Amino acid sequence: DAKTTQPPSMDCAEGRAANLPCNHSTISGNEYVYWYRQIHSQGPQYIIHGLKNNETNEMASLIITEDRKSSTLILPHATLRDTAVYYCIVVYSGGGADGLTFGKGTHLIIQP
Amino acid sequence: SAVISQKPSRDICQRGTSLTIQCQVDSQVTMMFWYRQQPGQSLTLIATANQGSEATYESGFVIDKFPISRPNLTFSTLTVSNMSPEDSSIYLCSVRSNLDQPQHFGDGTRLSIL
Repeated sequence: DAKTTQPPSMDCAEGRAANLPCNHSTISGNEYVYWYRQIHSQGPQYIIHGLKNNETNEMASLIITEDRKSSTLILPHATLRDTAVYYCIVVYSGGGADGLTFGKGTHLIIQP
Repeated sequence: SAVISQKPSRDICQRGTSLTIQCQVDSQVTMMFWYRQQPGQSLTLIATANQGSEATYESGFVIDKFPISRPNLTFSTLTVSNMSPEDSSIYLCSVRSNLDQPQHFGDGTRLSIL
């Protein structure tokens, strides 16, 4: 699976949109981009995933660049409960049979 | 998504002892995984629990230290054997219903070794 690069930490004001970047310049055509987050003392929570088109669900939006070498997770109206570590993970062909490999992620801190 | 229950949620153990962690899912799942999260670190995959056969271990993890069972499609156990303080971590169970579904995680077992 392709490696990802994320900033170690970010701050965002409550009520504003939080935009979390992820670089995956070696991604191949059949690899998906998955986002998870881990709130303190909980297991990772699935947020969203995509292949090439932008995706939106009730939690977030995922914007993937046309060349697929980077993506941005957008939390449209961040709340204090969105403070967590966010992981961007590239996965072969919808997941395969292998367990996810986690990097260090981005620690997002929502400021009141 | 599947509801994943782990027992115990936390424990404090003496060095040299062993602890078995249980993972119960409320629906049948194709894949089950075990992860370790050391203090302040990210998650590391220990092994894939295969139903009816031996688990598949990642580099750095061995069956003698982390024996795993998976007797059916809803249940798995991870044993941490001959524990030392370095085994103090959160151990997480994760499942995937099928290849079209994302992986989901339990809230983990917080283990401290004295």
